[in-house]
Amino acid sequence: EVQLVESGGGLVQPGGSLRLSCAASGFTFGNYWMSWVRQAPGKGLEWVANIKQDGSEKYYVDSVKGRFTISRDNAKNSLYLQMNSLRAEDTAVYYCARGVGCDYWGQGTLVTVSS
Amino acid sequence: DVVMTQSPLSLPVTLGQPASISCRSSQSLVHSDGNTYLNWFQQRPGQSPRRLIYKISNRDSGVPDRFSGSGSGTDFTLKISRVEAEDVGVYYCMQTTHWPPAFGQGTKVEIK
Repeated sequence: EVQLVESGGGLVQPGGSLRLSCAASGFTFGNYWMSWVRQAPGKGLEWVANIKQDGSEKYYVDSVKGRFTISRDNAKNSLYLQMNSLRAEDTAVYYCARGVGCDYWGQGTLVTVSS
Repeated sequence: DVVMTQSPLSLPVTLGQPASISCRSSQSLVHSDGNTYLNWFQQRPGQSPRRLIYKISNRDSGVPDRFSGSGSGTDFTLKISRVEAEDVGVYYCMQTTHWPPAFGQGTKVEIK
């Protein structure tokens, strides 16, 4: 059974940093692109970032470029999102999803940026 | 960037009746490889999204056959043949043909 479990969310002040993790199981992690998607409270879905199987290609939505970094550790079956210079508008539930097409999703982790 | 526009944004339906959601893209979603990467997702209240349909019309494993997808180019439709209570939630289309990937605004399906 495919499982994706996010962690690392919490309350952080504007300008602060957080590192999200996503632990994958039930499939060969290193064979798949992976994605981060976020959802602000009461709002729709927004794609945030993708990373290729070997980490050689990474793509970001414009609003997080230069502030967020996606990475992965295939030996640990884990996906990461390093978030720096956080802003109030980054407040959202962050989901990791398998593949560019997002066929499986985790339960999400809430990031709240507030003073 | 490609803009995905869904309609309606709210859809009250009667149990057992059909429902239809439209999704239009600002440019053709036909990829250079010949595929059209248009997906549909369901998000039930309080849950994570779940993919229902990929590449316009292919149902994911475990998705009831009352859900169907159709369309081409820039116009796509998700249909529910007979709405059940468990279908309440928000439905999103998403394109991954062009970078960056983009979601529609979502359509909230509720029971009348």
